[in-house]
Amino acid sequence: EPEVTQTPSHQVTQMGQEVILRCVPISNHLYFYWYRQILGQKVEFLVSFYNNEISEKSEIFDDQFSVERPDGSNFTLKIRSTKLEDSAMYFCASSESSGYNEQFFGPGTRLTVL
Amino acid sequence: DAKTTQPNSMESNEEEPVHLPCNHSTISGTDYIHWYRQLPSQGPEYVIHGLTSNVNNRMASLAIAEDRKSSTLILHRATLRDAAVYYCILRSTYSGAGSYQLTFGKGTKLSVIP
Repeated sequence: EPEVTQTPSHQVTQMGQEVILRCVPISNHLYFYWYRQILGQKVEFLVSFYNNEISEKSEIFDDQFSVERPDGSNFTLKIRSTKLEDSAMYFCASSESSGYNEQFFGPGTRLTVL
Repeated sequence: DAKTTQPNSMESNEEEPVHLPCNHSTISGTDYIHWYRQLPSQGPEYVIHGLTSNVNNRMASLAIAEDRKSSTLILHRATLRDAAVYYCILRSTYSGAGSYQLTFGKGTKLSVIP
């Protein structure tokens, strides 16, 4: 069964450093998403991406964040200058279309900022 | 997305049916009712969705009230693997702002007792 994969599973970084989280969505999907979940809190939407551009972003997704689909398979989330409060699980998801279709989530990357 | 209300937690005995309720009194005519779950240390996982009629799939059944102001996710025989947080989410078919994201609440934490 096709699945979304994410690398690395755990990333530790120093405050102020840049990190890139990687995702490989399901191959025939057209919509891509990033969510995050701070420990013990709700899953929060960050951004959605379609047709090589951002289709929607939340207030959390400020100028320190960026997304890219550098090739036909990878989808990345870059955090330019990490802060302590960026420590969270980051989940990538993909779907065939927007609206009512289900989103398929990856296993997540745990980001720890020291 | 319109607001949903779920109990914080529920318990079930293994191999017994579980009925997880969700209230969504402000649902609009274009909102689909989606259920996702999140197993411990994993990403959210799609369970089922419906609009007006009851729905069944290999994972669960979804019973939707006639006025659509509430719904119930039914797990026919709970297993230990079903212990998770279950989220009831409304998604509009309207392709406008907010249609791309899933808005997660706190969900219902289901514990399954062996």
